Amino acid sequence: RKEVEQDPGPFNVPEGATVAFNCTYSNSASQSFFWYRQDCRKEPKLLMSVYSSGNEDGRFTAQLNRASQYISLLIRDSKLSDSATYLCVVNMRGNTGKLIFGQGTTLQVKP
Amino acid sequence: DVKVTQSSRYLVKRTGEKVFLECVQDMDHENMFWYRQDPGLGLRLIYFSYDVKMKEKGDIPEGYSVSREKKERFSLILESASTNQTSMYLCASTPESVGNTIYFGEGSWLTVV
Repeated sequence: RKEVEQDPGPFNVPEGATVAFNCTYSNSASQSFFWYRQDCRKEPKLLMSVYSSGNEDGRFTAQLNRASQYISLLIRDSKLSDSATYLCVVNMRGNTGKLIFGQGTTLQVKP
Repeated sequence: DVKVTQSSRYLVKRTGEKVFLECVQDMDHENMFWYRQDPGLGLRLIYFSYDVKMKEKGDIPEGYSVSREKKERFSLILESASTNQTSMYLCASTPESVGNTIYFGEGSWLTVV
């Protein structure tokens, strides 16, 4: 079983739709969680950190469920510019900052 | 603005050649990483370093070595390039504290022929 798993998609949605991605992790001692966005042939960039209480940034909401060991990303009112691959990232260790990446979920927003 | 710079963006090398990929960060970060990214496999950690002259193997270190002589520079070395090392290589850095954002370079696209 992979340490961090995501549905690769692609998720094809119309503009204005609400879409949600989940990411599961296997190590219950994981400490930090992030969503990164990666455009085609570009480097990943931080979209948002995920906090235990859940957090929101505009149209984006991230949530953490430690009991079930998953994190989620909700995108409301999808825009064409949201088309990208969304990477789930989990910190699996204590001090060295090693991060484990999910395979990524591809989102295509259509007009 | 934080900056991680990978000096070689696109390279084509022959099988058996020695390849150096250089990465420099200007944020005084302790941790630096080399990943490779392949379709369907996501990002896989090759090596990381948490201090000058320190290094640890990641998940796929075979065929690679690294060097960190100065805090700001982390080099990835392919001693004898092979075709299965054709990939996009991403360098990244983070400060020491757990939970901090990881910053990526723009990537180096390596083709081994």
